[in-house]
Amino acid sequence: RKEVEQDPGPFNVPEGATVAFNCTYSNSASQSFFWYRQDCRKEPKLLMSVYSSGNEDGRFTAQLNRASQYISLLIRDSKLSDSATYLCVLDSGGGADGLTFGKGTHLIIQP
Amino acid sequence: EAQVTQNPRYLITVTGKKLTVTCSQNMNHEYMSWYRQDPGLGLRQIYYSMNVEVTDKGDVPEGYKVSRKEKRNFPLILESPSPNQTSLYFCASSLSVGDSFQETQYFGPGTRLLVL
Repeated sequence: RKEVEQDPGPFNVPEGATVAFNCTYSNSASQSFFWYRQDCRKEPKLLMSVYSSGNEDGRFTAQLNRASQYISLLIRDSKLSDSATYLCVLDSGGGADGLTFGKGTHLIIQP
Repeated sequence: EAQVTQNPRYLITVTGKKLTVTCSQNMNHEYMSWYRQDPGLGLRQIYYSMNVEVTDKGDVPEGYKVSRKEKRNFPLILESPSPNQTSLYFCASSLSVGDSFQETQYFGPGTRLLVL
């Protein structure tokens, strides 16, 4: 099965800081990339899709590097409410095979 | 409100007692999927369905069955549950899936299952 690797953390970061984490993937055929956020004991929710040109949504910036096969997520001016697990997600290269999920990076924003 | 619903949210059962976890979406999505999430293993796909009457195995289908008789519903059936099926289960749906891409998936709130 295609692999997605993430540093599980936890990343302990002071409020207001900038934090970034990467995710590497092994399936070069993947076409769709996402970052999902999951709060403790809750369902994953889409944070943002990741496009080839990179994209930004407020304090969040996502980048895709196809050559090196990784995606990144940058959070600026972190808030306490950003504390969560961030899941790197990509398609399995075959559409119907669904999504492959990383095990997530746990982020804790400290006051 | 657009949503994916699951029932029950919490279930404690005993080994061998058949159970069904329901999943319903009101977004007219074609694609539906079941996942289980276990500590240290992340989310793993159990079964998926590309449309009505079309289902296929995911990564961990053993011990599970599904059906897709209607577009909105995708129940997960455990014919004879065992303790290793104790897990957190998520149903998800997306608008469609192409030959080489996936639309955003929307998840239900999860079902916590304990099999004694």
